Amino acid sequence: DQQVKQNSPSLSVQEGRISILNCDYTNSMFDYFLWYKKYPAEGPTFLISISSIKDKNEDGRFTVFLNKSAKHLSLHIVPSQPGDSAVYFCAASAKETSGSRLTFGEGTQLTVNP
Amino acid sequence: DVKVTQSSRYLVKRTGEKVFLECVQDMDHENMFWYRQDPGLGLRLIYFSYDVKMKEKGDIPEGYSVSREKKERFSLILESASTNQTSMYLCASVVRIGSPLHFGNGTRLTVT
Repeated sequence: DQQVKQNSPSLSVQEGRISILNCDYTNSMFDYFLWYKKYPAEGPTFLISISSIKDKNEDGRFTVFLNKSAKHLSLHIVPSQPGDSAVYFCAASAKETSGSRLTFGEGTQLTVNP
Repeated sequence: DVKVTQSSRYLVKRTGEKVFLECVQDMDHENMFWYRQDPGLGLRLIYFSYDVKMKEKGDIPEGYSVSREKKERFSLILESASTNQTSMYLCASVVRIGSPLHFGNGTRLTVT
């Protein structure tokens, strides 16, 4: 049972344009959501997070949007840069279980073309 | 800066061997995790530990065990390696519950 789902295995965008990565979840107990970025041969690195009490969080070129009613979140990268090319994982946790026990999506490979 | 170190980047083992994957963190974190990453499946939690000598099963613990004798070290053990345990293994630690995880660079294990 995949509780966190990233339906797009890959996404290709031009440098300077917007990248939008999507994530859906099914567990209504999830109240904290994170995005991680992973380069080949490296571990995932934390990118940005959002609590369920918010619907938007912004950090530089990265913005995460949360739509609780739709159980959907998205990561916007503007403008996209070639160095953003990586696999992006969406993750979620529920305080009622174990706060840092994360459930990850399958990942989306983003390619930003120069 | 937090450092999570996994002792091996690449390992090749034979079916039936006992395999130890080692992970050390240098920030006195109490919470440590083992995940495996497979294409199309994302990261799946194998085991985690909230304190020394404490462990809890994750989502896919079958065929694995763990050891946490010291706070900084969390070991993943494959009692009898099988080909379906060929994967990328990722260790992570966190300073407190609710904070983002810090991952090591991973160990790519191939079981032949």
